[in-house]
Amino acid sequence: DAMVIQNPRYQVTQFGKPVTLSCSQTLNHNVMYWYQQKSSQAPKLLFHYYDKDFNNEADTPDNFQSRRPNTSFCFLDIRSPGLGDAAMYLCATSRGQMVETQYFGPGTRLLVL
Amino acid sequence: SQELEQSPQSLIVQEGKNLTINCTSSKTLYGLYWYKQKYGEGLIFLMMLQKGGEEKSHEKITAKLDEKKQQSSLHITASQPSHAGIYLCGAVHGSGNTGKLIFGQGTTLQVKP
Repeated sequence: DAMVIQNPRYQVTQFGKPVTLSCSQTLNHNVMYWYQQKSSQAPKLLFHYYDKDFNNEADTPDNFQSRRPNTSFCFLDIRSPGLGDAAMYLCATSRGQMVETQYFGPGTRLLVL
Repeated sequence: SQELEQSPQSLIVQEGKNLTINCTSSKTLYGLYWYKQKYGEGLIFLMMLQKGGEEKSHEKITAKLDEKKQQSSLHITASQPSHAGIYLCGAVHGSGNTGKLIFGQGTTLQVKP
């Protein structure tokens, strides 16, 4: 089945140690999104790619970066994770940028020790 | 105040009972999405509504978007334990929007057998 895949499902890292989360999709969608969801909170958009064009949300910390080497893959890099970065990270894709359905992956839960 | 308010925040119903979850926006909705999330997992797309007065159904779940396009309701008929989870509404607030979804805080549903 076409889908959005996130690896790993659980990631443990140390305070300040860089970590990379990955997302891949078989939907051939143009847009890929990264959301952060803290416990009992709504998902919050960090940034998105429309094809190769990167769009950062104004309040996304500089500590978070993203790469999209090709249509299928997108990475979230956290340069120096702090305790406050522990959260569920959700990847989503959509065919286009307008009012299109976003399809989500299962998420990666990040724990920072 | 939240751009998107969901009510109630949590709900416990007996199996077989009907229930309704509401999502109210402070701005005109250009697209309204309903997702379901099991604890610790990704978001599962349920339905998308765009037109005022639109109503969609999937199995025992029905969602409506009011005529003024500022409120949506999700109705579950004859609830089952499989309906338990967190229901999130997401909104697109601009016609020229880049697809950014703003989410409500979620409604946690428990269904007692």
